[in-house]
Amino acid sequence: GENVEQHPSTLSVQEGDSAVIKCTYSDSASNYFPWYKQELGKGPQLIIDIRSNVGEKKDQRIAVTLNKTAKHFSLHITETQPEDSAVYFCAAREIALAGGTSYGKLTFGQGTILTVHP
Amino acid sequence: ETGVTQSPTHLIKTRGQQVTLRCSSQSGHNTVSWYQQALGQGPQFIFQYYREEENGRGNFPPRFSGLQFPNYSSELNVNALELDDSALYLCASSSGLVETQYFGPGTRLLVL
Repeated sequence: GENVEQHPSTLSVQEGDSAVIKCTYSDSASNYFPWYKQELGKGPQLIIDIRSNVGEKKDQRIAVTLNKTAKHFSLHITETQPEDSAVYFCAAREIALAGGTSYGKLTFGQGTILTVHP
Repeated sequence: ETGVTQSPTHLIKTRGQQVTLRCSSQSGHNTVSWYQQALGQGPQFIFQYYREEENGRGNFPPRFSGLQFPNYSSELNVNALELDDSALYLCASSSGLVETQYFGPGTRLLVL
């Protein structure tokens, strides 16, 4: 099955700096890579996702890059703000089969605790 | 907010008991996936429901079971609770089997 490794486990930056979180995956069949932000006491919130047919996607201060050959993808946050402080999770989805029908199992990384200091 | 709701928000059970957790999917979504998130870990896939049938399962024992109803809401049932079942249980709804998943706030279960 799929295995996702995420680094670093903690990241501390000053407000206005950039933050980069990296993930590697093991299953070359994975084709969808979302990033989630989880604040204390809340469920994960989708912040950006990328599919394997593109190499980069950007949404305002957030961008994700994908290197299919190396099987790794990264989250880039520019101009960080204190409200960006949270736990960030990467995930990969393999198109698994059950009884001939595909299903969307997400395999998550271990998470990165991002702290943005004012 | 995603529009996915879960109940209860938290509960405490003792070892050996049974528990039922509930999830209401976002409007227009027909697929519900359940995940277990232990403290300090990423969510782990339990199973996915589509059109009222289990359609894919992770590495969880049969005492974890579920249901999906005609309105696409879902239940997660756990029998013979163990201490290690203490976790945040998340449901995610999507508009199809392999579409983007949107998570609810979770139910925090503590097993004593």
